[in-house]
Parts: sequence; structure tokens; C-alpha cells
Amino acid sequence: DIQMTQSPPSLSASLGDKVTITCQASQNINKYIAWYQQKPGKAPRQLIRYTSTLVSGTPSRFSGSGSGRDYSFSISNVESEDIASYYCLQYDNLRTFGGGTKLELK
Amino acid sequence: QVQLKESGPGLVQPSQTLSLTCTVSGFSLTSYNVHWVRQPPGKGLEWMGRMRYNGDTSYNSALKSRLSISRDTSKNQVFLKMNSLQTDDTGTYYCTRDSHWAPFDYWGQGVMVTVSS
Repeated sequence: DIQMTQSPPSLSASLGDKVTITCQASQNINKYIAWYQQKPGKAPRQLIRYTSTLVSGTPSRFSGSGSGRDYSFSISNVESEDIASYYCLQYDNLRTFGGGTKLELK
Repeated sequence: QVQLKESGPGLVQPSQTLSLTCTVSGFSLTSYNVHWVRQPPGKGLEWMGRMRYNGDTSYNSALKSRLSISRDTSKNQVFLKMNSLQTDDTGTYYCTRDSHWAPFDYWGQGVMVTVSS
């Protein structure tokens, strides 16, 4: 099974900051990584697929990049509505989530 | 519009079997995959397994010995059965639609399952 190591587990940011989350796969996942946002008591919401493609409705302050085993997800100009947990998902071979990152306000 | 809805018992006794149903609308089970994902309280997401559009199934290796996923396309339903439940199986269980170009694009609201005597 492919393992996904996501860091950091938690992140504290001020409004307007840029934050970055990384995911490292245990093997090459050929850019098949997606990113999800989850707010308390809600189902996850897809933000980005295939490394950097924003899904419909995702604000342009969200972005993704990477290749091979190493991927990153960024939010520029953090807004209050971005306070949530974020997860990466590899879908190159079956499915595996990263451990998650909880974004909090400083 | 695309909808998925999980249903099942909220409380299961230890060592018993969990049975959940995912009822879908707005798309065909013969065109999209449906996966099950769970989340213990306060913890991260765990992929459990999938029912592919063609009827094939795949499972998380950590759960494979206890888990079974099936479907009834005439009723637009996908089923999860997991046996030998323990307290650490407590959590919210989601079903989610999936394809290789749009992974987990729609989710159900989730169903909370508590394993307790």
C-alpha cells in the first residue's frame, strides 16, 4: 500500500498569511494527488485534483504543485473561512489519505 | 443532482457486525466508483474500500479480513459489512463518489457509528 506522510499536523496563521502543507508519498504517484478541506461536523470538500487543477468553486488563493513523491498545497492570503483541516489523497493506486493538517488562527 | 446518503445503526456491540447502506442518486453505479471512508472522533480520514463501476471491489489491507462491500444496482445502493467490531471502529462513516479523473468529488453527510456495550 502507498503511504502518505503529511506535514505539519497543525499550523497557526494570521489572516493574510501564506501557508504551505506538504505530502510525501512512499512511491511515485504520477501527480495523482488531490486535496480536501474539512470543517468540523462536515464531510470533506474537494479543492484540487491532479496536483494543481482547482475544482469548480475553489478560490484562486488555493494552489498545488509537485511531482514524483513530493507535493505541496498552499493558501495565499488566508481568510477566516479557510480555518479547517486539510487532507491530501493519493489516487494513483487505490486510495490513501495523508494524516491531515489542522489550520488555526494565530 | 448528485447525492449520496449513508444509513445504518448508530450503535453496535463489540464483536458484532456493522452493516451500512449508501443510497445514491443523480448518477449510475455502473458509471462511477463508490468508496467508503471513515473517521474516528477527532482523528483523520481512513480509506476503507471501494466498489468499482464494473462490480470489482478493493479493500484497505488493514481491514481486508473484516470488510465486505457489495451493491444492488437496481436499488442504487452500495453496502458495507464489517465484522468483529471493536471500540476503535467508532467513528463517522462516509460514502463518496469517485472516478480516476475526479476522485471523491461528492460525499454523503456521514453516519456516526458507536461501538459500545
